[in-house]
Amino acid sequence: GQQLNQSPQSMFIQEGEDVSMNCTSSSIFNTWLWYKQDPGEGPVLLIALYKAGELTSNGRLTAQFGITRKDSFLNISASIPSDVGIYFCAGLASGTYKYIFGTGTRLKVLA
Amino acid sequence: DVKVTQSSRYLVKRTGEKVFLECVQDMDHENMFWYRQDPGLGLRLIYFSYDVKMKEKGDIPEGYSVSREKKERFSLILESASTNQTSMYLCASSLGHQGQPQHFGDGTRLSIL
Repeated sequence: GQQLNQSPQSMFIQEGEDVSMNCTSSSIFNTWLWYKQDPGEGPVLLIALYKAGELTSNGRLTAQFGITRKDSFLNISASIPSDVGIYFCAGLASGTYKYIFGTGTRLKVLA
Repeated sequence: DVKVTQSSRYLVKRTGEKVFLECVQDMDHENMFWYRQDPGLGLRLIYFSYDVKMKEKGDIPEGYSVSREKKERFSLILESASTNQTSMYLCASSLGHQGQPQHFGDGTRLSIL
């Protein structure tokens, strides 16, 4: 099945640093979602985006729906140790219930 | 808060056994989904259901079947388990309107020996 290109695949950062990751697709999407998955747990929804250009924040997290509708970005400001985990993007095209998931960005925070 | 509950966190079964994975959601969601998650392959959709007794194949349905007799419950069945079905299985649900986000359970880590 189709997958999104998510980058970077992994990141090692120092506590307090800002983090940026993105997803790109060859298809146009109407909805973008961002999830975080802790080890041994299921993905937890962080942010949902529904309109091109939309910028939405959830605490230290900010996500944007790209103008072309083929990409999305997630930024984490002032990272803390509990930000460790895998971050997934998911996109939904018009007329379907099937989200396409990115391969994930594995984030490690060094104290 | 949406609650999606998977019946087992860890499960160990033997090759050839019939295996049932159960998923229950408490938010009256129309849509329910089963995925498997493997390192390097991401989430792959096995089956989904958009209504009671309705099901559609996802990207990797071979070796699996599903059952949705009640709106809140979606079961994944491995008819004859094989070692290549060892994986993390994730259930998700969403409202029926297009564009609604999916909410996931905590997953079942299944090992087939």
